[in-house]
Amino acid sequence: DTEVTQTPKHLVMGMTNKKSLKCEQHMGHRAMYWYKQKAKKPPELMFVYSYEKLSINESVPSRFSPECPNSSLLNLHLHALQPEDSALYLCASSQVWTSGLSRGDTQYFGPGTRLTVL
Amino acid sequence: KQEVTQIPAALSVPEGENLVLNCSFTDSAIYNLQWFRQDPGKGLTSLLLIQSSQREQTSGRLNASLDKSSGRSTLYIAASQPGDSATYLCAVYLDWGGSQGNLIFGKGTKLSVKP
Repeated sequence: DTEVTQTPKHLVMGMTNKKSLKCEQHMGHRAMYWYKQKAKKPPELMFVYSYEKLSINESVPSRFSPECPNSSLLNLHLHALQPEDSALYLCASSQVWTSGLSRGDTQYFGPGTRLTVL
Repeated sequence: KQEVTQIPAALSVPEGENLVLNCSFTDSAIYNLQWFRQDPGKGLTSLLLIQSSQREQTSGRLNASLDKSSGRSTLYIAASQPGDSATYLCAVYLDWGGSQGNLIFGKGTKLSVKP
């Protein structure tokens, strides 16, 4: 099974709402990622969890809060978002990712959540 | 800082034509290179992964090559079909992740295959 699942597929929220995006994989991977993709742009890395520990958290606004309850699950909590945060949010997983030294393990991507902030 | 460039940005071809998509990267110290396909509003589908020790990979009508020394990769699509219409993304895996993370994407080539 090489599938990464994401829910919901679409989400519309107001700027005062609190919502969460969910991601799940059952490939035994120990690294999971959140990417943000704006229209006609390539994906940009937001967060990496490696062995359930947050490894990257730079320049991403605090209104995005990642959570990794266990090695198979990854959440992205959203609060007080802005319209410019509207984008496709992609989750990915790989065997492992070590801070400062990447083994370049293949990342498997989910289908994404299309987020619209009104 | 690693930069990945894809040329052309868009390509329109008639059905049945063979075509080549190009990808270049500025730092040859990459671990792997991966080609993805993305349909409008959808996630990424992995097409081919080339490890740094390899020169090419093939899957069906797709063939990807890698020349690390020159910082180039090409994706060859044979006998194109309308169903191949999508955006094709090239991404390089870095040896050292750092604050960029370890997977750097190009901006993609939008392919349109006309019946």
